This record gives sequence, C-alpha cells and structure tokens, in this order.
Amino acid sequence: QSVLTQPPSASGTPGQRVTISCSGSSSNIGSYTVNWYQQLPGTAPKLLIYRTNQRPSGVPDRFSGSKSGTSASLAISGLQSEDEADYYCAAWDDSLNGLYVFGTGTKVTVL
Amino acid sequence: QVQLQESGPGLVQPSETLSLTCTVSGGSISDSFHHWAWIRQPPGKGLEWIGRIYYSGSTQYSPSLKSRLTISVDTSKNQFSLRVSSVTAADTAIYYCARVTSRYCSGNSCYTIKGFLDSWGQGTLVTVPS
Repeated sequence: QSVLTQPPSASGTPGQRVTISCSGSSSNIGSYTVNWYQQLPGTAPKLLIYRTNQRPSGVPDRFSGSKSGTSASLAISGLQSEDEADYYCAAWDDSLNGLYVFGTGTKVTVL
Repeated sequence: QVQLQESGPGLVQPSETLSLTCTVSGGSISDSFHHWAWIRQPPGKGLEWIGRIYYSGSTQYSPSLKSRLTISVDTSKNQFSLRVSSVTAADTAIYYCARVTSRYCSGNSCYTIKGFLDSWGQGTLVTVPS
C-alpha cells in the first residue's frame, strides 16, 4: 500500500509546464528528502530527481523538484513528447521500520 | 557505468519459492557507498519496495513481506539474491533489482544518507498462476 499520494494523471501540450504533487506525512516527506523516478512505457524506472531537488547527470534542467512540509512537487517545464511516462515520488518512512515508500504514480500525457 | 541484470524462472507454482538473482557488472557490490535492493511492480500497477542488503549481509525488509522474504549477497560472484516463499498469485509482478546510493563524499568528509535508487535492472516478470 502506498503512503505517498499522487494524482493519477496530468497532461499538457508541448511547451507547457506540468506539476505533479506528492502528499505524505511527518514520518516520510516531513522527515526525509524526496526522490522522483520516471518510467517510460515498457521500461524500468529511472532516477529523475534525488535528495528533493538534485538532478543526476543527463537529466534535462526542465525537470525540477521541491518540497514544503509534508508535500513535494515535480515540475516539468517546456513539456516534450518524450516526457510522456509514469512518474513516482519516493521517500524513506520512519513509521514502517525504515521502509522505502513509493507514491501511487502519475501518468503524464502530452496532448 | 554499473549495470544490473535479473535472472530466474518466469513461472513459479503457488506455495513454492520464488528465487531471483541480480548480477552486478561495472562496479563492485562490496563498496561502502551502496546498498542493493529489490522492488516489484504488479502488471499495470505501482512500485513496491521489497528490501535491501549491504555487502556485509545486513538486511532491511518490507514489513508486509518479511515473514516470507530472504535477501542474500554473494560478494565473490558480485551478485545478490531474492527468495520469496509460499507464493500466491498476488506475488505476480515484474521484479527489479537496483543500486541504492547511501553514502557520498564531499571534500575530506563522507556522509551516510538514507539513499536513492540510481541504477536499475531491466526487470523480470514472474508469474504465479492462480
């Protein structure tokens, strides 16, 4: 069961800005940094953002992450067709014996 | 560039034990900067954390699977493994292995962090018929 809640879907036209929210609690997002993963259709997830707002090398700066309290957000600016994918937030959780919890996932569609 | 590759049977009968191995190449499983993890994804659904292991053998398991779970490491083969006992159709999923970066150094100081999954295997589908 996911303890991090995301909207099931988000969409935008090419060039638009899309934001995905991730709602948690004091035992996870409120206490730890947040990571985001991108899963293109039929492929394994890929690290997109780590430690809330850091991009691995090779990830375009169109992707950015932030956190406030017990919620986090992923923003995609200048949306491109290749951004159509599932996006998952994730964080460690103190209340579940140090479990790593994933969000429910958001499907981003480029219209 | 580290690479991970899952291997094991794609079909497991109910009540039997699911066994998978993850082979790590391009890096040592014994370095102090990483843990090694298993994650699964039922078809069409989201990601579920299974557990992780350090090269020393220390493990951390998902509470919901703990009673049926064993994760082990073989440093001589640069591999780590997953065993899930008494499987049911609910265990049908794509199983991924991944590397967890849990320590980094900056200047003369090194820091332990909670970690993030920075390299993933391609995943392997395991089906348990109902």
